[in-house]
Amino acid sequence: QLQLQESGPGLVKPSETLSLTCTVSGGSITSSPYYWGWIRQPPGKGLEWIGIIYYSGSTYYNPSLKSRVTISLDTSKNQFSLKLSSVTAADTALYYCARYGGGYFDLWGRGTLVTVSS
Amino acid sequence: EIVLTQSPGTLSLSPGESATLSCRASQSVSSSYLAWYQQKPGQAPRLLIYGASSRATGIPDRFSGSGSGTDFTLTISRLEPEDFAVYCCQQYGISPFTFGPGTKVDIK
Repeated sequence: QLQLQESGPGLVKPSETLSLTCTVSGGSITSSPYYWGWIRQPPGKGLEWIGIIYYSGSTYYNPSLKSRVTISLDTSKNQFSLKLSSVTAADTALYYCARYGGGYFDLWGRGTLVTVSS
Repeated sequence: EIVLTQSPGTLSLSPGESATLSCRASQSVSSSYLAWYQQKPGQAPRLLIYGASSRATGIPDRFSGSGSGTDFTLTISRLEPEDFAVYCCQQYGISPFTFGPGTKVDIK
């Protein structure tokens, strides 16, 4: 049974870079035709799509975040990662990783809360 | 980008009753590329419906989706105790993919 688990610091200082990793177990991230993605949810607000990556390395980002986002993958560890630079308090959110196929996200992790504060 | 609006914000119902949740898009969602998810605190969100009306694997048939264009509906017939949660819609017809703010279904 495929499972996803987010990990990373829960507190990041303003202007620094947020870094999270998603570990996939029970299946391979090189499985076609799936992409792997990140979604976030600020407190009390709706979900926001951040971006997705294919095992070939192709990426697609939300234009609103594109200048600050990098998603990469490590096939040897069956992981993919998110980096978000120059963070502000507005980036405080519950960050989810998920499997993406056909436009929707069919399997999700439980999420990890990241707070941006000095 | 396509903005999704969900109504009502909160729906208070009793177990056994039916729930009708609405998701409205600011412009037409091509090919009914709309999904519904269930969210519970501390749990991974769960895909319920994709393609506006197709149930995801393992989803009970009391969950059904309908609609096209700009108006979509999620219906939950005979609410079970585990169905009390937040439900949100997502369009994937036009990038960036966007989500609605959610409808909370709570126990009356």
